[in-house]
Formats: sequence, structure tokens, C-alpha cells
Amino acid sequence: EPEVTQTPSHQVTQMGQEVILRCVPISNHLYFYWYRQILGQKVEFLVSFYNNEISEKSEIFDDQFSVERPDGSNFTLKIRSTKLEDSAMYFCASSAEGLVHEQYFGPGTRLTVT
Amino acid sequence: QKEVEQNSGPLSVPEGAIASLNCTYSDRGSQSFFWYRQYSGKSPELIMSIYSNGDKEDGRFTAQLNKASQYVSLLIRDSQPSDSATYLCAVNGGKTSYDKVIFGPGTSLSVIP
Repeated sequence: EPEVTQTPSHQVTQMGQEVILRCVPISNHLYFYWYRQILGQKVEFLVSFYNNEISEKSEIFDDQFSVERPDGSNFTLKIRSTKLEDSAMYFCASSAEGLVHEQYFGPGTRLTVT
Repeated sequence: QKEVEQNSGPLSVPEGAIASLNCTYSDRGSQSFFWYRQYSGKSPELIMSIYSNGDKEDGRFTAQLNKASQYVSLLIRDSQPSDSATYLCAVNGGKTSYDKVIFGPGTSLSVIP
């Protein structure tokens, strides 16, 4: 069964460093998303991406964040200068064309900023 | 601010019983509704989606939607210990069907053998 994959599974970085989180969405999906979940809290929307551009972003997704689809398979989230409060699980999701747009999540990347 | 509310639990049911999980949402314009299961330390796993009023059944799971009351529920029949997880209600929160989903805080379910 097709699934969303994410790398790395765990990333440790120092405050102020740049990180890139990588995702490979399900191959025939056209809509891509990043969410995050701080430990013990709700899953929060960051950004949605369609047709090579951002379709919506949340207040969390400030100038420190960017997304890119550098080729036909990868979808990346870059955080330019990490802060302690960026420590969270980051989930990539994708959905296919259709009426309901069910979103399928990858296993996540645990980002720890020290 | 669009909100999705759930009882945090924990909800404990004996093995073989029916577990009933409830969710309310604030945006009357929401069109699509989802139930995800999340095991500790894992990612959300889609169980069911529903977008029409009424019931939708898939195996042991039944989702119920009442748009007039802004209420979504999930019934799990013949609960198994492996169903012990946090159940997340999610609601389409954007202007289009492919926009973000807004998640509730989740209800923790414990199925007692």
C-alpha cells in the first residue's frame, strides 16, 4: 500500500541552525501539507501546497519557514534559524484529487532544538 | 477562530464493548470530517471520512454526522485492546476541500481486556 515517507526520523540541532525536513508524498497525490505537534498538544496545520505554490499557511508559518518541491517526488520543509520552541514532531501529509481530500500522514520527524 | 472540541478522556471500555467518541466543531461551513487514530509517539492514521449527514460504516467503525448540531461521532464496536489509542477528530477548515484540516485535542481510549 502506498505511503508517505519522511526523513530523518529524528533530527537534533542547535538553536540558530538551519534544518531541512524531507518528505516523499504518495506518488499520485497532488496536494501536500506540513503539520506539527508539540509534545502533549494538538496537531497544528503549518502549510498546504498545490501546483507548485503555497495555497494556505498558518500564523506559525512565518518567514523562518519555507517549503519546496525540488523534483517530482520530494517535498521539503526548511526552518532557517531554529528556536527552542520549534522542537516538535513534524508531519508531512498528502491527498489526492477528489471530493473529500483525505489526508494521509507520514511517520513524522522528531525535531529537537537544543 | 475555528475550533474542534473533544472530551479528552480517558475513556475506558471493557473488551468487546462499544466505544463512543464525540466531537463538536464551530464552523458551520465545514464540509468534510475525519477520524484519525494516533498511537503514542506515532503519526495520525486515517480511520474514516464523512461528509454527508447520517451514518457511515466501515467494518467495526461507524461515523455519524449531524451538521445541524455541528456534531460528529465515532462508534467502535467489539472494542479490542489494540484499539487503545488517542482518537483525533478533524474538520476541513479552509475555503476549499483540499485545504487544511483542523484537529481536536483527541480522546484517549483504553480498552480493558
